[in-house]
Parts: sequence; structure tokens; C-alpha cells
Amino acid sequence: EDQVTQSPEALRLQEGESSSLNCSYTVSGLRGLFWYRQDPGKGPEFLFTLYSAGEEKEKERLKATLTKKESFLHITAPKPEDSATYLCAVQARGGATNKLIFGTGTLLAVQP
Amino acid sequence: DAGVTQSPTHLIKTRGQQVTLRCSPKSGHDTVSWYQQALGQGPQFIFQYYEEEERQRGNFPDRFSGHQFPNYSSELNVNALLLGDSALYLCASSTASGIHEQYFGPGTRLTVT
Repeated sequence: EDQVTQSPEALRLQEGESSSLNCSYTVSGLRGLFWYRQDPGKGPEFLFTLYSAGEEKEKERLKATLTKKESFLHITAPKPEDSATYLCAVQARGGATNKLIFGTGTLLAVQP
Repeated sequence: DAGVTQSPTHLIKTRGQQVTLRCSPKSGHDTVSWYQQALGQGPQFIFQYYEEEERQRGNFPDRFSGHQFPNYSSELNVNALLLGDSALYLCASSTASGIHEQYFGPGTRLTVT
């Protein structure tokens, strides 16, 4: 069964303190791995798509990487406005649709 | 460029009632997916619509049904509401081919009392 596990569940950082969020996945065949940011009570905001092991994507203070079993979201010198829940999702190959299978997310709090 | 829109923003219903949620996809997108997100959980796939037909359904009962219109907008209907149906309902749009990213709307917060 396709599955996504994110860790830690919650992370508290001081402003400027870099860290990484983990997303482990099992999928029959990976079409793509996606990172989203979600603010409280709002819909997920698309951040990155990764397709193959070794691929990296960057956006401002965020950098996403992918291996055959997991993905990392590295946050460099975070600011309070980076506080949100970060969701990881996978799409499997061969399905009838491009449905997303999500993890439960990592709640990030960045304190000034 | 308008993104994905959903209505209403919030809704309060009583057990046993029926509800209809609406979604308009991002410009240029022809596929709409619906997800349910319980508090503290990741979104769960309900179903997806393309060319006005349901392409795939997740693990949700038949009380959940949907529709897609010729202009690609979509509705989610839930009958015989249960307390456990209280959640944030998210609509996501995408294209049927090529780009695989799904773009989400702001969601509809449904509370069942």
C-alpha cells in the first residue's frame, strides 16, 4: 500500500536556526513527490515537485531533495513567516488518476 | 489569473442533512479532485472528475457524490451527514496530461452538529 510518513510531527526553531523536515515514502512506482505549505484554515500552497532520485529544487530559504526512499525539506535561516504546516505527498505511476497521497505534515514554528 | 475558488467558506449543518460544496478550477485546468482534511491530518482523496465523469474514488462511502460541469467547475455533495464528516473540504485542479501538480483552493470548513 502506498504510504507517506513525515517527521517530526512538530518542530520549533529560533529565527536563523536551520533544520530539515523528513518525508519517507513507499509507493509502487513514483510519478512525483510534492511539497506543500499550509497555513491554518487555508488550502495547501504548492512549493515543489521532484521526479527522480538526486533531484533538488530551491525556493528562497527552502530546498527540497529526493532519494529513492525519502525526501528532505531543508530550511536555511528561517524567519517567523516560514511558520506553517509543511505537507509531503506522492503520486504513483500507472493509476487512473494523478491523486495525491499525503503525509500528516510537520508543524513548523519559528520564534523571533 | 484566478486561482482555484471554492464556496462557501464555512458551513454549519445538522446530522442527517445534505450539503453541496462548489469549486471552480484554475484557468486552463480541466481536472478537479476533492479531498477531505480532518483536523491535524493530511488531506484524504475523495474522488476526481475529468470530462464530466468520475475517474477514481478513494475510500469514501456512496454518501459522497460529485459532478463536473462543461465549464470544468465541480460540486461535492454529501448526504445523511454524520458528525465525523466535519472537516475542511479541499478542491484541487490540474490538467489531465503533462503537468502533474495540483493546485488547491482555500477550502470549505464544514461543521456538523
